[in-house]
Amino acid sequence: DTAVSQTPKYLVTQMGNDKSIKCEQNLGHDTMYWYKQDSKKFLKIMFSYNNKELIINETVPNRFSPKSPDKAHLNLHINSLELGDSAVYFCASSQGLSTLHEQYFGPGTRLTVT
Amino acid sequence: DQQVKQNSPSLSVQEGRISILNCDYTNSMFDYFLWYKKYPAEGPTFLISISSIKDKNEDGRFTVFLNKSAKHLSLHIVPSQPGDSAVYFCAASAEGGATNKLIFGTGTLLAVQP
Repeated sequence: DTAVSQTPKYLVTQMGNDKSIKCEQNLGHDTMYWYKQDSKKFLKIMFSYNNKELIINETVPNRFSPKSPDKAHLNLHINSLELGDSAVYFCASSQGLSTLHEQYFGPGTRLTVT
Repeated sequence: DQQVKQNSPSLSVQEGRISILNCDYTNSMFDYFLWYKKYPAEGPTFLISISSIKDKNEDGRFTVFLNKSAKHLSLHIVPSQPGDSAVYFCAASAEGGATNKLIFGTGTLLAVQP
């Protein structure tokens, strides 16, 4: 049983398109996150949600819109894709907001924008 | 502004020897530090953490040391095993972990030679 799953694993698309990445966790966690790992290997937080409420929004362009239909899901929709959006996107979840709660990461989605 | 730095992109050690991975930080507000381990095509997994009120935390073969005055932490793995070969990320958080916002370093690729 995969604790945190993401679909798709790979995504290749053209500039200007709109795409979504889905994330699901079966751990019963309250908090979910999206991270971006760019070509320089920086792993940066983009968003966090707690009980479907947005907690962290790290100056991400508004072309990126997270959607949390329920506590177990946090999807990432990206409008008007740009070359610079090419990266690996990781979803994660934790029991709660405290850093003391370990974050569990999904396997990542490699997005390539051509 | 890179608040968490891992200046060694890679490290190679012999099986059975000690691996020492280093991490420096600039933000004096950081009060909780973590190490994550990542295998290829997988998401990071939590390894060990330390609070700023401690200077050492040990878990089996893994020990993390914190030097607050130098704003430096290190992860010691002894003895190193081939299965330890992975990318190791250092991460830090502030505000007592209230928002669970982790700032990651760029990682160090550890290769343990049999």
